[in-house]
Amino acid sequence: AQSVTQLDSHVSVSEGTPVLLRCNYSSSYSPSLFWYVQHPNKGLQLLLKYTSAATLVKGINGFEAEFKKSETSFHLTKPSAHMSDAAEYFCVVSDPSSSYKLIFGSGTRLLVRP
Amino acid sequence: SQTIHQWPATLVQPVGSPLSLECTVEGTSNPNLYWYRQAAGRGLQLLFYSVGIGQISSEVPQNLSASRPQDRQFILSSKKLLLSDSGFYLCAWSWASGEETQYFGPGTRLLVL
Repeated sequence: AQSVTQLDSHVSVSEGTPVLLRCNYSSSYSPSLFWYVQHPNKGLQLLLKYTSAATLVKGINGFEAEFKKSETSFHLTKPSAHMSDAAEYFCVVSDPSSSYKLIFGSGTRLLVRP
Repeated sequence: SQTIHQWPATLVQPVGSPLSLECTVEGTSNPNLYWYRQAAGRGLQLLFYSVGIGQISSEVPQNLSASRPQDRQFILSSKKLLLSDSGFYLCAWSWASGEETQYFGPGTRLLVL
């Protein structure tokens, strides 16, 4: 069965320093992988998506993620954190049993210190 | 471009009262539609999805129901709310072509007292 694990429930960084949010997945095939961001009391916004093309995926707001099949990882990074990046981030994997279903990680809350 | 709307944004309801949350999508035809619930401090739980008018699939047994009376309208309902129905309800859509990406609405915060 497919699953996704976000390794950190909370990550705290200083403004201007790099961001790393870790995600590992389990899948018996080559899945589609996503990162979504959710600001407080808002809906989820798609940051980026991997679909078996380039392994390094660039998203919005300076975020990018690298698909590493050997490590079954899809970590999200950003070179320099901004205060507006403070939010909850979800790593998501497609469910091969249905094109209608996504499997969500438990989320990582990013705190950015001034 | 496509937009998705949800209302109300916030709702406070007493236990045992009915519920109706509405979601509409603009700028696309025959989208797949989804209802999720996000309980405090927890991840997203898929409640229902629909691939067409009148076609509803339920993912978990519960006190809620969903309907799709029009192509781009998705409604979440309950006849009698429970305390455990409190949460953040998110509607989402995806292309009917089988594209997996889902696009989310702004959400409705429901508090049952």
